[in-house]
Amino acid sequence: RKEVEQDPGPFNVPEGATVAFNCTYSNSASQSFFWYRQDCRKEPKLLMSVYSSGNEDGRFTAQLNRASQYISLLIRDSKLSDSATYLCVVTRNTGGFKTIFGAGTRLFVKA
Amino acid sequence: ETGVTQTPRHLVMGMTNKKSLKCEQHLGHNAMYWYKQSAKKPLELMFVYNFKEQTENNSVPSRFSPECPNSSHLFLHLHTLQPEDSALYLCASSRDRPFSGNTIYFGEGSWLTVV
Repeated sequence: RKEVEQDPGPFNVPEGATVAFNCTYSNSASQSFFWYRQDCRKEPKLLMSVYSSGNEDGRFTAQLNRASQYISLLIRDSKLSDSATYLCVVTRNTGGFKTIFGAGTRLFVKA
Repeated sequence: ETGVTQTPRHLVMGMTNKKSLKCEQHLGHNAMYWYKQSAKKPLELMFVYNFKEQTENNSVPSRFSPECPNSSHLFLHLHTLQPEDSALYLCASSRDRPFSGNTIYFGEGSWLTVV
């Protein structure tokens, strides 16, 4: 079992839709959580950090559920430009710091 | 514009060639990384450098040889690669102490094809 798991998708949604991605992690010692975005044939870029209290940045909302060991990303009012792969990233400090990337969830937003 | 630049962006090499990938970061960061990204697979961490000292080597074959002359520059020397080594190689940096939760900034990557 992978330490960080994501549904690979693809998610195909129309413009204006609301879409949600989940990511589960297996190591309870995980400390920090992030969503990165990777456009086709581009490098990953930080989208947002995920805080225990949940956080929102415009149309994007990230939440963390430590008890169930998952994080989520909600995108409201999807735009064509949201089409990308969304990577779940988890860091922990057990036997040294580790950053683990999920394989990503692909999103296609259609007109 | 990314603060981490990689060259070349695309590279095609034969299995007997020797080539190098170069990375430079303009962010004043102390930690630098090489990642490999193959199709439909998660990013694979290859090497970590902190203050130009290698702190991690994730069982990478010796045909990949990193070099970090200073905190701003990182090289990946390639020798006798295999076709399965074809992938996107991403350089990255972070402010300090690798994987402490600092944001990781990636370069645009070097697309490598081994023929």
